[in-house]
Amino acid sequence: GAGVSQSPSNKVTEKGKDVELRCDPISGHTALYWYRQSLGQGLEFLIYFQGNSAPDKSGLPSDRFSAERTGGSVSTLTIQRTQQEDSAVYLCASSLRVAGETQYFGPGTRLLVL
Amino acid sequence: QQQVKQSPQSLIVQKGGISIINCAYENTAFDYFPWYQQFPGKGPALLIAIRPDVSEKKEGRFTISFNKSAKQFSLHIMDSQPGDSATYFCAASIGGGSYIPTFGRGTSLIVHP
Repeated sequence: GAGVSQSPSNKVTEKGKDVELRCDPISGHTALYWYRQSLGQGLEFLIYFQGNSAPDKSGLPSDRFSAERTGGSVSTLTIQRTQQEDSAVYLCASSLRVAGETQYFGPGTRLLVL
Repeated sequence: QQQVKQSPQSLIVQKGGISIINCAYENTAFDYFPWYQQFPGKGPALLIAIRPDVSEKKEGRFTISFNKSAKQFSLHIMDSQPGDSATYFCAASIGGGSYIPTFGRGTSLIVHP
């Protein structure tokens, strides 16, 4: 594709529900990242996938958060038992090979937990 | 991860003025310093980047100045335009490795017409 795509663009859910956020990276990009951006805040790193290597999960804030990447392409970020403090924009980015290169960001998914 | 400190948090300039955003880092292993621009409702996009083998890089109205000894780098926007109004993030990373880029907290720039 032309760029990184994310779906849904907006998600409203009730506290306690599970949500799944999807990211389609740029074709051929082997590195994929998830970030969280709260209103007016910077980028909080969540998780990093590189090829077939074990993902770097060091940024996940709790065990309610998980992510997987199937076939080295599409990634899904899952938040279980959502809380109001999970409300934020979730950004996905990809880069050609490894961390340390230019990242290409998707438009984000705006999550609102009521 | 080492923190990248970005300032100011917000900046207001008049059209035609110079916008300056500063970042400081601690990890001397960093060798790639990109700046990202983010418009409301959009994801960040690479604006300009520099590696420490040069002290300055210019692309149009945007210039990065890099001071390796001081471990600081800055973004200068010359002849600022209302269309430049956005949030700007600096970042630092180690190229070619598995080090996750560290981002500054962002600077909200407003350029008044």
